[in-house]
Amino acid sequence: DAGITQSPRHKVTETGTPVTLRCHQTENHRYMYWYRQDPGHGLRLIHYSYGVKDTDKGEVSDGYSVSRSKTEDFLLTLESATSSQTSVYFCAISDQQGSRGYEQYFGPGTRLTVT
Amino acid sequence: RKEVEQDPGPFNVPEGATVAFNCTYSNSASQSFFWYRQDCRKEPKLLMSVYSSGNEDGRFTAQLNRASQYISLLIRDSKLSDSATYLCVGNTGFQKLVFGTGTRLLVSP
Repeated sequence: DAGITQSPRHKVTETGTPVTLRCHQTENHRYMYWYRQDPGHGLRLIHYSYGVKDTDKGEVSDGYSVSRSKTEDFLLTLESATSSQTSVYFCAISDQQGSRGYEQYFGPGTRLTVT
Repeated sequence: RKEVEQDPGPFNVPEGATVAFNCTYSNSASQSFFWYRQDCRKEPKLLMSVYSSGNEDGRFTAQLNRASQYISLLIRDSKLSDSATYLCVGNTGFQKLVFGTGTRLLVSP
């Protein structure tokens, strides 16, 4: 299994509070991603990073920001959590390895509940 | 129309059966496809990659039909441990993937 950890694994927070989720990898992969998974929607890309301090928006980026100051860490911040951000958040990593460059490997997920 | 569409199932099959899932995609520019397996309350895990017409790994066979824009996954000799949700995935751009909502498989004794 790819060396990816996420913290916290579970969190309950109140509407309006800031929340930061952390993804840590030990694979030295260049690309990192944050997804959310909700029933009926599958996995949707929030933000991704293609290198240290290089990030870009995904499909559902509103209300989220990210930072990547080191290769191994990718942080997802909800500036002011809303109930619509209750979801399971997955981090993923990938690297450019010839034809296998698009394969992504996922962390264990963080279950976030916003009350 | 969703970029990747799958029958949500569930597919209920007995042990030992052969089962096939189809997935259609709308982006004709997609080059790479994947099948991921996801167990309840767990992360998706890569099952197979499909870069050309198909791929085979033991009991699992994936086929890609670019003309009709669909990908299939065939599971032979189903095991109880195959019970899971199977996600069909295509790439939409450099290093970016789009996921189907998954097909649930239940294998019974």
